[in-house]
Amino acid sequence: AQSVTQLGSHVSVSEGALVLLRCNYSSSVPPYLFWYVQYPNQGLQLLLKYTSAATLVKGINGFEAEFKKSETSFHLTKPSAHMSDAAEYFCAVRGDDKIIFGKGTRLHILP
Amino acid sequence: GAGVSQSPRYKVAKRGQDVALRCDPISGHVSLFWYQQALGQGPEFLTYFQNEAQLDKSGLPSDRFFAERPEGSVSTLKIQRTQQEDSAVYLCASSLAQGAYYYGYTFGSGTRLTVV
Repeated sequence: AQSVTQLGSHVSVSEGALVLLRCNYSSSVPPYLFWYVQYPNQGLQLLLKYTSAATLVKGINGFEAEFKKSETSFHLTKPSAHMSDAAEYFCAVRGDDKIIFGKGTRLHILP
Repeated sequence: GAGVSQSPRYKVAKRGQDVALRCDPISGHVSLFWYQQALGQGPEFLTYFQNEAQLDKSGLPSDRFFAERPEGSVSTLKIQRTQQEDSAVYLCASSLAQGAYYYGYTFGSGTRLTVV
C-alpha cells in the first residue's frame, strides 16, 4: 500500500527565509508524488508533481521539490518565503486508482 | 465550466437528516473523485467514477453514503441519516484522463457539512 508521512503539522518561517516542508513516502510501485496547497476555504491546488522524469521538480509560485529514492523523500522547498505562502500544504502519492494524501503541514509566515 | 463547481458551499443538517451534495466537474473530464476532509486532516478518499461507472467505492465509510454520476458528468454524494461524525468538508475533483493520478486533479472549493 502507498502512503505519505508529513513531518511537522505546523512550520513557521520568517518572511524571506527558506521554506522546507518534509515528506516521506512508502510505495510498492514506482511512485508518482505530488504537492498540493490549500488556502482557507478553498479546494486544493496542484503545486508540482514527480512522475519519474527529472528528480528535481519545479512548480508554481517558486516552489520546487527533489525526489530522493534512497531516502524515500520528496521535500518541498522555496528559497524565500512570502506572506502569501501562508497556507496548508499536502504531500500525496498515487494509489491504485487515486491519489492518497498526507495529513498536511500548515505553513506560517512571520513578518 | 472553467473549474469544478460544488454546491452548496455550506450545509447545516440536523442529526438524522438526509443531505445531497452536488459536483459539476470540468466539461469533458472523464474521472471524478470524492474526498472527505475532517478538520485539521488531509483529504480521505471516498469514491471514484470513470464516466458513469463507479469503479471504486472502498472509501465510503458506511452504507449511509451513496454516490452517483448517471450521465457521466454531474455527480451527487448523498448521506442518509447524518451523524455528527459526518461533519467535514467534502471535496470533489475531476481529471481529463483515465490515469488521473498521473496528471493530478482539479479540485472544487468543497462543501462544508456541519451536523448539529
